[in-house]
Amino acid sequence: KAGVTQTPRYLIKTRGQQVTLSCSPISGHRSVSWYQQTPGQGLQFLFEYFSETQRNKGNFPGRFSGRQFSNSRSEMNVSTLELGDSALYLCASSMGGETQYFGPGTRLLVL
Amino acid sequence: GENVEQHPSTLSVQEGDSAVIKCTYSDSASNYFPWYKQELGKRPQLIIDIRSNVGEKKDQRIAVTLNKTAKHFSLHITETQPEDSAVYFCAVPSGGSYIPTFGRGTSLIVHP
Repeated sequence: KAGVTQTPRYLIKTRGQQVTLSCSPISGHRSVSWYQQTPGQGLQFLFEYFSETQRNKGNFPGRFSGRQFSNSRSEMNVSTLELGDSALYLCASSMGGETQYFGPGTRLLVL
Repeated sequence: GENVEQHPSTLSVQEGDSAVIKCTYSDSASNYFPWYKQELGKRPQLIIDIRSNVGEKKDQRIAVTLNKTAKHFSLHITETQPEDSAVYFCAVPSGGSYIPTFGRGTSLIVHP
């Protein structure tokens, strides 16, 4: 089976802009979770989608949002970008259970 | 929410030595404990996991031990090799869900 894929892999934006990241899960996986990884804060959970519904949410501001499509692909959007949003954004898919299979990540740099 | 503490943050060993990384957690209801390995520039990958009904699990050179009473679990790597150099993360499902809270990571450096 193909693994989790994410696009784009790298992105440079300026403050105030918005960005949309995409994640395609492993075939058959209905759960997609998003994480932010930074050197200072480690891996932090953003939200999880299951069958097109947000099922869990982390402690991030409303500027961070997401959605999931009927084919389980997911997008994450960050509006009004801030310098502190620079990070590696990882998505992970699972069958709906505990084991997370990660994608390669999108590295976002906000200038 | 779940509080996960991981130690040490950095671990430097000589090739062939053993390495041990420990995580403590706060939610006594947690029952699934995975370990992930993230090589430089790559994605985190599950390397071993354990459920609360067993105390130890081994897979070749790696093992995980669990002490539910003390609420801690450890990753053991024996006969370390340079390719074991990576950041290792423990994770614990939190808040009654299976969404993991990750430890802050341990950077393992294996010197040839």
